[in-house]
Amino acid sequence: GNSVTQMEGPVTLSEEAFLTINCTYTATGYPSLFWYVQYPGEGLQLLLKATKADDKGSNKGFEATYRKETTSFHLEKGSVQVSDSAVYFCALSGGGGSNYKLTFGKGTLLTVNP
Amino acid sequence: GAVVSQHPSRVICKSGTSVKIECRSLDFQATTMFWYRQFPKKSLMLMATSNEGSKATYEQGVEKDKFLINHASLTLSTLTVTSAHPEDSSFYICSALTSGRKETQYFGPGTRLLVL
Repeated sequence: GNSVTQMEGPVTLSEEAFLTINCTYTATGYPSLFWYVQYPGEGLQLLLKATKADDKGSNKGFEATYRKETTSFHLEKGSVQVSDSAVYFCALSGGGGSNYKLTFGKGTLLTVNP
Repeated sequence: GAVVSQHPSRVICKSGTSVKIECRSLDFQATTMFWYRQFPKKSLMLMATSNEGSKATYEQGVEKDKFLINHASLTLSTLTVTSAHPEDSSFYICSALTSGRKETQYFGPGTRLLVL
């Protein structure tokens, strides 16, 4: 079945540091890939997505590129802010499963210090 | 983006009572909604898929008689935790699926349930 593996946190960075959160997946076919963000005490918000190989999703300075050859969708940001502190979830849908059922990674807690 | 609300945001109840959680899509119609459960410091676990006008589809290991789901309209799905016990305490999150070519799930803010 489908699965998502993302780097375990917590990740602690200083403001303006470079961020990478690794995500790899297992799926048959061509899944859609997502990054969701969960701020403290809130539900999930879609951060970005990519629906086919080599697509790059981007939003709020975050980027992730759909790499089929390495089955990866790593999240990056060039300069993090304190307000980026949250839990980040990598997820996929489709890829041999339901087109819209999401399979989530375990989440990575990011803390950005001033 | 599309907005999904949940009510209540937080509920405390006594063991043995039932609790109903509402999930509403505020600015779009959703024939499909999902209910997730999130344990502390863990990922989201899909509990069931809620389909408007038909029975919900439950994931393996989720008790359908324990977690009753009703999707009576295109903008409302409810999850009722029946005869709640302390082990049912959790963060419950719903999502609603937009229709059309670019289907996207939008998530509600979650409901924190504490069973005493």
